[in-house]
Amino acid sequence: EDKVVQSPLSLVVHEGDTVTLNCSYEVTNFRSLLWYKQEKKAPTFLFMLTSSGIEKKSGRLSSILDKKELFSILNITATQTGDSAIYLCATNAGGTSYGKLTFGQGTILTVHP
Amino acid sequence: GAVVSQHPSWVICKSGTSVKIECRSLDFQATTMFWYRQFPKQSLMLMATSNEGSKATYEQGVEKDKFLINHASLTLSTLTVTSAHPEDSSFYICSARAGQVNQPQHFGDGTRLSIL
Repeated sequence: EDKVVQSPLSLVVHEGDTVTLNCSYEVTNFRSLLWYKQEKKAPTFLFMLTSSGIEKKSGRLSSILDKKELFSILNITATQTGDSAIYLCATNAGGTSYGKLTFGQGTILTVHP
Repeated sequence: GAVVSQHPSWVICKSGTSVKIECRSLDFQATTMFWYRQFPKQSLMLMATSNEGSKATYEQGVEKDKFLINHASLTLSTLTVTSAHPEDSSFYICSARAGQVNQPQHFGDGTRLSIL
């Protein structure tokens, strides 16, 4: 059974801090890893990673994938209160799980002013 | 681009009522849509995968007669919770994917269902 594990489960920081969120996976027929941000409603798409070692960047957020060690990290620099959310990591696999996303438990990030 | 609209956003109804939730892809054609359920402080649990024009594929443990899914067009999928009971109260979220399996899923805003 495919498995995605995120750490830490929750994190409290102050504005301006840099945070690193972790996601490890055990997936058969791995195709890609995705990061989503969930505030009060449904998740919004951040990044999709398919290749090792290539950093994806969007403003203060960046992410990288290591397919050898089976993990990904999401970095947020100079955090703001608006970054407070649940960050979800998910894997997209082939085979019998073709096209389905397997989600991790999520990391609850709280940024205090 | 890639906007998914879900309606209604909140439903409160009596036990025994059937509730229909709509999921629409507004600016793209979604060959595949997914329905998830999320309990408080937990991650998303996939309920079923819906392909346009064919029967939905349900995950293990999800009752297909309880959660009826219809995907009649490339922009609309519906989930009907039949004869809802308080244990069906949850946050239901749909997502849609355009085309190939390696494209990201885009999520609707979710429907909070409360059964009294």
